[in-house]
Amino acid sequence: SQELEQSPQSLIVQEGKNLTINCTSSKTLYGLYWYKQKYGEGLIFLMMLQKGGEEKSHEKITAKLDEKKQQSSLHITASQPSHAGTYLCGADMRSGNTGKLIFGQGTTLQVKP
Amino acid sequence: EAGVTQFPSHSVIEKGQTVTLRCDPISGHDNLYWYRRVMGKEIKFLLHFVKESKQDESGMPNNRFLAERTGGTYSTLKVQPAELEDSGVYFCASSPIYLGLAGGEQFFGPGTRLTVL
Repeated sequence: SQELEQSPQSLIVQEGKNLTINCTSSKTLYGLYWYKQKYGEGLIFLMMLQKGGEEKSHEKITAKLDEKKQQSSLHITASQPSHAGTYLCGADMRSGNTGKLIFGQGTTLQVKP
Repeated sequence: EAGVTQFPSHSVIEKGQTVTLRCDPISGHDNLYWYRRVMGKEIKFLLHFVKESKQDESGMPNNRFLAERTGGTYSTLKVQPAELEDSGVYFCASSPIYLGLAGGEQFFGPGTRLTVL
C-alpha cells in the first residue's frame, strides 16, 4: 500500500467550477508540499504546509493541512483551462534521514472550456 | 535566476548499455536530490546530496546506479548496465536548505525520460 494516497486519480471539470483534491497519510506529516506538473515539464512548487490547521492561498488555489497533520486538501475556485495539469502532493515523513519527499500518485485535472 | 536543468531531456538506449544523466541545480543550492517515476507509479526518492556528500542514498535501487556530485555543483547519475525496468522519468531537484525548514522546498528540473529497449 502507498504511504500517501491521493484522490481522485483524475478529474474533468467544466471551466468555472470548483474542485478539491485530497492527500491522505496514515502517518504524521511533518511537511506537506503541493506541486503542479504539466506534461513534459518539471514539477512547479505551489505551497508548503507544516502546522496543523494551516491554510495557505495563492490566487485561486487554497491548500489546507488538517489538525492531526495527516490529511491535506487542495481547492481550486472557479477553475480555468490554465489550471489543467497533474497535481502532486509530497510529504516529509521524517522516515530515515530527512531530505526526501514521499509522493502521492498524482491527480490529473482537465478543465473543459 | 536559472532553474534546475537536466540533460538530456530524452534518452533511448538498449539493454546492457550505459547512460549518464546530468543535473545542474540552482546556483547556491547545497541540497540536490534525485527522484524517479516509472510508468504507472508514484515519484520515488533515489538519493540526496548535501554539497558533495551523499546524505541519504536509501532509495537507490541497486549497484547499477551510481550518483556523483563532484565539487558540490552539478550531479551525474549513471546507470550501468541499463535494464528494461530502469525506464522512466528521472527528476533532479535542489533546495537551499534542509527539508522541514521554511524555505526548504525542493525545486524540480524538467526530468530526463529514459527508455531502455
